[in-house]
Amino acid sequence: QSVLTQPPSVSEAPGQRVTISCTGSSSNIGARYDVNWYQHLPGAAPKLLIYDDTKRPSGVPGRFSGSKSGTSASLAITGLQPEDEADYYCQSYDNALGVLLFGTGTKLIVL
Amino acid sequence: EVELVESGGGLVEPGRSLRLSCAASGFTFFDHAMHWVRHTPGKGLEWVAGISWNSGSIDYAASVKGRFTISRDNGKNSLYLQMNSLTTEDTALYYCARDKAAAGPGSLDHWGQGTLVTVSS
Repeated sequence: QSVLTQPPSVSEAPGQRVTISCTGSSSNIGARYDVNWYQHLPGAAPKLLIYDDTKRPSGVPGRFSGSKSGTSASLAITGLQPEDEADYYCQSYDNALGVLLFGTGTKLIVL
Repeated sequence: EVELVESGGGLVEPGRSLRLSCAASGFTFFDHAMHWVRHTPGKGLEWVAGISWNSGSIDYAASVKGRFTISRDNGKNSLYLQMNSLTTEDTALYYCARDKAAAGPGSLDHWGQGTLVTVSS
């Protein structure tokens, strides 16, 4: 089971800003392991959006940004577009379990 | 261009075995750790197993430990997942994913399109 908790869903209108939280613990995010974020569109392979907490791979728009503090991390998306509607997952490593973890996932609905 | 192509999925009865393969191209395979990740509509993404560049470090999710074996052949640019004692809980779309780092675990920067495993009687 995942120990990275995300809200099941978030919704916002086009053009607005939304944040998705990822809450962990002292054995993963709090232990300073990097947090990565993925976008998963229906029928497509997951796509790396943010790595090492705040970095964007080439080709990912600047509308996407990541942050981390303590045992939590967040993904922010500004200027929402209809094509941003997807599932978003955080990911980190847990040294107590010795495993790579994905968050519970958040469905972004663009109203 | 990085390409990962999974194969070997299919319909299998509970208790049986299946072997998944992932053919990699477009990058130096032995420079990267590799992982298997599965997806189900109800559970979302679940990491299954990971292997470092030289197979020196291998980890498994608790849900598959003792039943699944991850391996790689750097000479053939291929990743494998041997799945034994399959249960209905293993039904999922299985993805092969590349780690940015050689030792892992890091971020998964390239993914295949997945191969579907259905465990049913």
